[in-house]
Amino acid sequence: GAVVSQHPSWVICKSGTSVKIECRSLDFQATTMFWYRQFPKQSLMLMATSNEGSKATYEQGVEKDKFLINHASLTLSTLTVTSAHPEDSSFYICSASEGAEQFFGPGTRLTVL
Amino acid sequence: QKEVEQNSGPLSVPEGAIASLNCTYSDRVSQSFFWYRQYSGKSPELIMSIYSNGDKEDGRFTAQLNKASQYVSLLIRDSQPSDSATYLCAVNAAHNDMRFGAGTRLTVKP
Repeated sequence: GAVVSQHPSWVICKSGTSVKIECRSLDFQATTMFWYRQFPKQSLMLMATSNEGSKATYEQGVEKDKFLINHASLTLSTLTVTSAHPEDSSFYICSASEGAEQFFGPGTRLTVL
Repeated sequence: QKEVEQNSGPLSVPEGAIASLNCTYSDRVSQSFFWYRQYSGKSPELIMSIYSNGDKEDGRFTAQLNKASQYVSLLIRDSQPSDSATYLCAVNAAHNDMRFGAGTRLTVKP
């Protein structure tokens, strides 16, 4: 299957700081990428759909000014968590679509102190 | 009604048995169906895709699709302790509109 990478794999930051997470499709071009969040023992929650060269589409209840998404190329999407707070601590996972299939990155575990 | 429904489990089977995971979906126009495996603390991994009615086999895994009844299932033969994970059913109703079930937690006991 297609390979998607994420960086960093984990990050610890202080409350009020911003954190950027990168998602890359390594061996294919992804017109569309997705950002999910998962709290412990809970389901995947889609945050936004990111299309190359256009603004992301956010799911209801996700603050677009807090979770900034940029999809500048066919292989890279970034998620920036601005002014992070402890309640933003979670497992953030990106995925990229190749045809009808979605392939997930390994995830980024964010801890906000 | 949720778009994609799965029994949350946990489903517990002995090693060597067949594990049967079920999923139903509400959108009749759905065309693509997937099973993902997610180990604790890890991201989901695609293990099966199925697009037409019937069975699709890949090693110990068999996916079954019945569009008329709007269900898709995953059978795991000769279950191993390493199969213990949460299995997510996903349905793609339209281009890039994939909906995930909440997942079924499977435990395979040695």
